[in-house]
Amino acid sequence: GPKVLQIPSHQIIDMGQMVTLNCDPVSNHLYFYWYKQILGQQMEFLVNFYNGKVMEKSKLFKDQFSVERPDGSYFTLKIQPTALEDSAVYFCASSLQGNYAEQFFGPGTRLTVL
Amino acid sequence: QEKVQQSPESLIVPEGAMSSLNCTFSNSASQSIWWYQQHPGKGPEALISIFSNGNKKEGRLTVYLNRASLHVSLHIRDSQPSDSAVYLCAVSLLSNYQLIWGSGTKLIIKP
Repeated sequence: GPKVLQIPSHQIIDMGQMVTLNCDPVSNHLYFYWYKQILGQQMEFLVNFYNGKVMEKSKLFKDQFSVERPDGSYFTLKIQPTALEDSAVYFCASSLQGNYAEQFFGPGTRLTVL
Repeated sequence: QEKVQQSPESLIVPEGAMSSLNCTFSNSASQSIWWYQQHPGKGPEALISIFSNGNKKEGRLTVYLNRASLHVSLHIRDSQPSDSAVYLCAVSLLSNYQLIWGSGTKLIIKP
């Protein structure tokens, strides 16, 4: 089936540094999402993105977070600066439509902030 | 704030038997309910979704939705060892496209 890729699979950085998580969504999809899962907890919505703009963001999407998809390339999540509580697995997803549509997920990026 | 709860936390089922997983949600206006399967180290993969009250069958999977009791269940007939995974219930809201997730049921099928 359709595949979403995420790069890197693991990232370890020092607190205060910047990190960029990359997502290669399904090629004809139009809606993009980031979710965060802290070890042992439920997955939580961060943000969704359509037509070059953030549609909605949760309270977890702090001011230090930003997303973009320049020129149809990778959909990225940037955290600057990082904090210890940002350690989690970040999942990217994409869908062809918004409502009712299946979201296809990547394998996740495990971020460890030291 | 929509809340999604799943039970049981874990389930061991003999091969060939029926696996039954439960999910409750807090908002009767929730748009659609999805069941996802997640293997270790992988992202969730959608299995089946339901919007209308009643049941829906796809292959070995049957899902039942009762909006009045805010309950949805997933049943896997003839469970196989390859069905061993974490099963996640996710609810999408009328107002936006985000998914609200349960904490998952870890299903183990014993040969």
